[in-house]
Amino acid sequence: QVQLQESGPGLVKPSQTLSLTCIVSGGSISSGSYFWTWIRQPSGKGLEWIGRIYTTGNTNYNPSLKSRVTISVDTSKNQFSLKLSSVTAADTAVYYCARQVLGSSCYDYWGQGTLVTVSS
Amino acid sequence: QSALTQPASVSGSPGQSITISCTGTSSDVGGYNYVSWYQQHPGKVPKLMIYDVSKRPSGVSNRFSGSKSGNTASLTISGLQAEDEADYYCSSYTSSSTWVFGGGTKLTVL
Repeated sequence: QVQLQESGPGLVKPSQTLSLTCIVSGGSISSGSYFWTWIRQPSGKGLEWIGRIYTTGNTNYNPSLKSRVTISVDTSKNQFSLKLSSVTAADTAVYYCARQVLGSSCYDYWGQGTLVTVSS
Repeated sequence: QSALTQPASVSGSPGQSITISCTGTSSDVGGYNYVSWYQQHPGKVPKLMIYDVSKRPSGVSNRFSGSKSGNTASLTISGLQAEDEADYYCSSYTSSSTWVFGGGTKLTVL
Protein backbone atom coordinates (compact mmCIF):
# COMPACT_ATOMS: atom_id res chain seq x y z
CA GLN A 1 0.00 0.00 0.00
CA VAL A 2 1.44 3.34 -1.08
CA GLN A 3 1.71 5.96 1.63
CA LEU A 4 2.77 9.58 1.49
CA GLN A 5 3.83 11.52 4.57
CA GLU A 6 4.58 15.22 4.75
CA SER A 7 7.15 16.54 7.19
CA GLY A 8 8.57 19.93 8.05
CA PRO A 9 8.27 22.91 10.38
CA GLY A 10 4.77 23.88 11.43
CA LEU A 11 5.73 27.51 11.98
CA VAL A 12 7.61 29.76 9.57
CA LYS A 13 8.40 33.46 10.01
CA PRO A 14 7.26 35.98 7.40
CA SER A 15 9.76 36.56 4.57
CA GLN A 16 11.46 33.23 5.27
CA THR A 17 11.35 30.04 3.21
CA LEU A 18 8.85 27.27 3.86
CA SER A 19 10.39 23.82 3.37
CA LEU A 20 8.46 20.55 3.35
CA THR A 21 9.32 16.98 2.42
CA CYS A 22 7.04 14.18 1.31
CA ILE A 23 8.31 10.67 2.04
CA VAL A 24 6.88 7.98 -0.22
CA SER A 25 6.61 4.40 1.03
CA GLY A 26 5.17 1.25 -0.50
CA GLY A 27 6.28 2.19 -4.00
CA SER A 28 9.20 3.68 -5.88
CA ILE A 29 9.19 7.38 -6.70
CA SER A 30 11.31 6.45 -9.73
CA SER A 31 8.69 4.18 -11.30
CA GLY A 32 8.04 6.65 -14.11
CA SER A 33 4.27 6.21 -14.00
CA TYR A 34 3.48 9.17 -11.77
CA PHE A 35 3.85 12.86 -11.14
CA TRP A 36 4.51 13.93 -7.55
CA THR A 37 2.45 16.94 -6.55
CA TRP A 38 1.99 19.58 -3.86
CA ILE A 39 -1.45 21.02 -3.08
CA ARG A 40 -2.45 23.40 -0.30
CA GLN A 41 -5.63 24.48 1.46
CA PRO A 42 -5.98 27.56 3.68
CA SER A 43 -8.26 27.02 6.62
CA GLY A 44 -11.89 27.16 5.53
CA LYS A 45 -10.97 27.67 1.88
CA GLY A 46 -10.54 25.62 -1.25
CA LEU A 47 -7.73 23.56 -2.70
CA GLU A 48 -4.89 25.19 -4.61
CA TRP A 49 -2.52 23.26 -6.88
CA ILE A 50 1.06 24.34 -6.22
CA GLY A 51 3.08 22.24 -8.64
CA ARG A 52 4.40 18.84 -9.59
CA ILE A 53 7.60 17.00 -10.44
CA TYR A 54 8.37 13.97 -12.54
CA THR A 55 11.06 11.46 -11.67
CA THR A 56 13.37 13.06 -14.27
CA GLY A 57 13.18 16.35 -12.39
CA ASN A 58 10.86 18.07 -14.87
CA THR A 59 8.53 20.44 -13.06
CA ASN A 60 5.34 22.45 -13.61
CA TYR A 61 4.29 25.23 -11.27
CA ASN A 62 1.15 27.27 -10.60
CA PRO A 63 1.78 30.55 -12.45
CA SER A 64 0.66 32.56 -9.41
CA LEU A 65 3.36 30.94 -7.26
CA LYS A 66 6.01 30.16 -9.86
CA SER A 67 8.43 32.92 -8.85
CA ARG A 68 8.59 31.58 -5.28
CA VAL A 69 8.27 27.80 -5.65
CA THR A 70 10.85 25.08 -6.11
CA ILE A 71 9.96 21.39 -6.13
CA SER A 72 12.74 18.82 -6.15
CA VAL A 73 13.02 15.05 -6.00
CA ASP A 74 15.51 12.77 -4.24
CA THR A 75 15.12 9.32 -5.72
CA SER A 76 17.76 7.85 -3.39
CA LYS A 77 15.58 8.71 -0.41
CA ASN A 78 12.27 8.11 -2.21
CA GLN A 79 11.05 11.58 -1.37
CA PHE A 80 10.27 14.93 -2.94
CA SER A 81 10.32 18.40 -1.49
CA LEU A 82 8.69 21.83 -1.65
CA LYS A 83 10.34 25.16 -1.02
CA LEU A 84 8.26 28.35 -0.99
CA SER A 85 10.20 31.54 -0.49
CA SER A 86 9.26 34.97 0.86
CA VAL A 87 6.24 33.63 2.70
CA THR A 88 3.47 35.80 4.13
CA ALA A 89 0.41 35.07 6.25
CA ALA A 90 -1.44 34.26 3.04
CA ASP A 91 0.71 31.13 2.72
CA THR A 92 -0.68 29.72 5.96
CA ALA A 93 -2.41 26.49 4.96
CA VAL A 94 -2.55 22.74 5.19
CA TYR A 95 -0.06 21.42 2.66
CA TYR A 96 -0.70 18.06 1.02
CA CYS A 97 1.54 15.94 -1.13
CA ALA A 98 -0.17 13.66 -3.63
CA ARG A 99 0.51 11.23 -6.43
CA GLN A 100 -0.89 11.84 -9.92
CA VAL A 101 -1.10 8.98 -12.38
CA LEU A 102 0.70 9.81 -15.63
CA GLY A 103 -1.71 10.49 -18.49
CA SER A 104 -4.70 10.76 -16.18
CA SER A 105 -6.44 13.17 -13.83
CA CYS A 106 -6.24 10.51 -11.14
CA TYR A 107 -4.70 11.81 -7.93
CA ASP A 108 -4.96 8.50 -6.17
CA TYR A 109 -2.84 8.80 -3.03
CA TRP A 110 -2.58 11.79 -0.71
CA GLY A 111 -0.61 12.49 2.42
CA GLN A 112 -2.43 13.35 5.62
CA GLY A 113 -1.51 17.00 5.22
CA THR A 114 0.57 19.24 7.42
CA LEU A 115 -0.43 22.65 8.76
CA VAL A 116 2.10 25.38 8.17
CA THR A 117 1.50 28.69 9.91
CA VAL A 118 3.32 31.83 8.86
CA SER A 119 3.71 34.10 11.84
CA SER A 120 6.36 36.04 13.69
CA GLN B 1 -5.02 30.70 -14.15
CA SER B 2 -8.48 31.25 -12.76
CA ALA B 3 -10.23 28.79 -10.48
CA LEU B 4 -12.99 26.72 -12.01
CA THR B 5 -16.49 27.92 -11.11
CA GLN B 6 -18.63 25.78 -8.83
CA PRO B 7 -21.83 26.68 -6.97
CA ALA B 8 -21.06 27.53 -3.37
CA SER B 9 -23.71 25.17 -2.08
CA VAL B 10 -26.26 22.59 -3.13
CA SER B 11 -28.71 20.59 -1.09
CA GLY B 12 -30.97 17.61 -1.43
CA SER B 13 -33.06 15.19 0.58
CA PRO B 14 -32.09 11.58 1.22
CA GLY B 15 -32.82 9.43 -1.80
CA GLN B 16 -32.82 12.34 -4.23
CA SER B 17 -30.26 13.10 -6.92
CA ILE B 18 -28.16 16.25 -7.10
CA THR B 19 -25.75 17.62 -9.66
CA ILE B 20 -22.77 19.87 -9.04
CA SER B 21 -21.44 21.85 -11.98
CA CYS B 22 -17.86 22.90 -12.67
CA THR B 23 -17.38 25.53 -15.35
CA GLY B 24 -14.08 26.39 -16.96
CA THR B 25 -12.87 27.38 -20.40
CA SER B 26 -11.69 25.77 -23.60
CA SER B 27 -8.18 25.94 -22.12
CA ASP B 28 -9.02 23.59 -19.30
CA VAL B 29 -12.30 21.71 -18.83
CA GLY B 30 -13.39 22.04 -22.44
CA GLY B 31 -10.03 21.15 -23.91
CA TYR B 32 -9.21 17.91 -22.15
CA ASN B 33 -10.88 14.85 -20.70
CA TYR B 34 -8.85 15.31 -17.54
CA VAL B 35 -11.45 16.38 -15.00
CA SER B 36 -11.58 14.87 -11.54
CA TRP B 37 -13.82 15.27 -8.50
CA TYR B 38 -12.92 15.07 -4.82
CA GLN B 39 -15.01 14.67 -1.69
CA GLN B 40 -13.74 16.22 1.52
CA HIS B 41 -15.30 15.79 4.93
CA PRO B 42 -14.36 18.35 7.60
CA GLY B 43 -10.81 17.88 8.80
CA LYS B 44 -10.19 15.03 6.39
CA VAL B 45 -8.02 14.45 3.35
CA PRO B 46 -9.73 14.90 -0.04
CA LYS B 47 -10.90 11.62 -1.53
CA LEU B 48 -10.91 10.96 -5.28
CA MET B 49 -14.45 10.17 -6.46
CA ILE B 50 -14.25 10.58 -10.25
CA TYR B 51 -11.32 10.96 -12.65
CA ASP B 52 -10.94 11.44 -16.39
CA VAL B 53 -14.44 12.99 -16.47
CA SER B 54 -16.42 9.84 -15.77
CA LYS B 55 -14.22 7.06 -14.39
CA ARG B 56 -14.79 5.77 -10.87
CA PRO B 57 -11.90 4.52 -8.74
CA SER B 58 -12.25 1.11 -7.18
CA GLY B 59 -14.32 1.30 -4.02
CA VAL B 60 -16.29 4.42 -4.92
CA SER B 61 -20.04 3.90 -4.96
CA ASN B 62 -21.74 3.80 -8.36
CA ARG B 63 -24.12 6.44 -7.02
CA PHE B 64 -21.41 8.89 -8.06
CA SER B 65 -21.09 9.69 -11.76
CA GLY B 66 -19.37 12.32 -13.86
CA SER B 67 -19.94 13.89 -17.25
CA LYS B 68 -18.86 16.83 -19.38
CA SER B 69 -20.44 19.05 -21.98
CA GLY B 70 -18.39 21.80 -23.55
CA ASN B 71 -16.63 23.81 -20.87
CA THR B 72 -18.76 22.45 -18.03
CA ALA B 73 -18.22 19.22 -16.11
CA SER B 74 -20.79 17.78 -13.73
CA LEU B 75 -20.84 15.44 -10.77
CA THR B 76 -24.12 13.66 -10.09
CA ILE B 77 -24.88 11.87 -6.86
CA SER B 78 -27.94 9.67 -6.94
CA GLY B 79 -29.76 8.12 -3.99
CA LEU B 80 -28.40 10.82 -1.70
CA GLN B 81 -27.28 9.61 1.72
CA ALA B 82 -26.43 11.46 4.90
CA GLU B 83 -22.77 10.41 4.57
CA ASP B 84 -22.55 12.26 1.25
CA GLU B 85 -22.71 15.59 3.09
CA ALA B 86 -19.29 17.09 2.44
CA ASP B 87 -17.40 19.60 0.34
CA TYR B 88 -16.81 18.67 -3.30
CA TYR B 89 -14.05 20.00 -5.53
CA CYS B 90 -13.48 19.63 -9.24
CA SER B 91 -10.08 19.82 -10.89
CA SER B 92 -8.92 20.07 -14.48
CA TYR B 93 -5.73 19.94 -16.47
CA THR B 94 -4.90 23.16 -18.32
CA SER B 95 -3.21 24.13 -21.55
CA SER B 96 -0.27 25.42 -19.49
CA SER B 97 0.48 21.89 -18.28
CA THR B 98 -0.79 22.82 -14.84
CA TRP B 99 -3.88 21.86 -12.85
CA VAL B 100 -6.62 24.07 -11.47
CA PHE B 101 -9.27 23.40 -8.83
CA GLY B 102 -12.77 24.71 -8.48
CA GLY B 103 -13.74 26.83 -5.48
CA GLY B 104 -15.64 23.97 -3.90
CA THR B 105 -19.29 23.17 -3.28
CA LYS B 106 -20.81 22.42 0.10
CA LEU B 107 -23.38 19.64 -0.17
CA THR B 108 -26.05 19.60 2.51
CA VAL B 109 -28.27 16.56 2.95
CA LEU B 110 -31.54 17.85 4.35
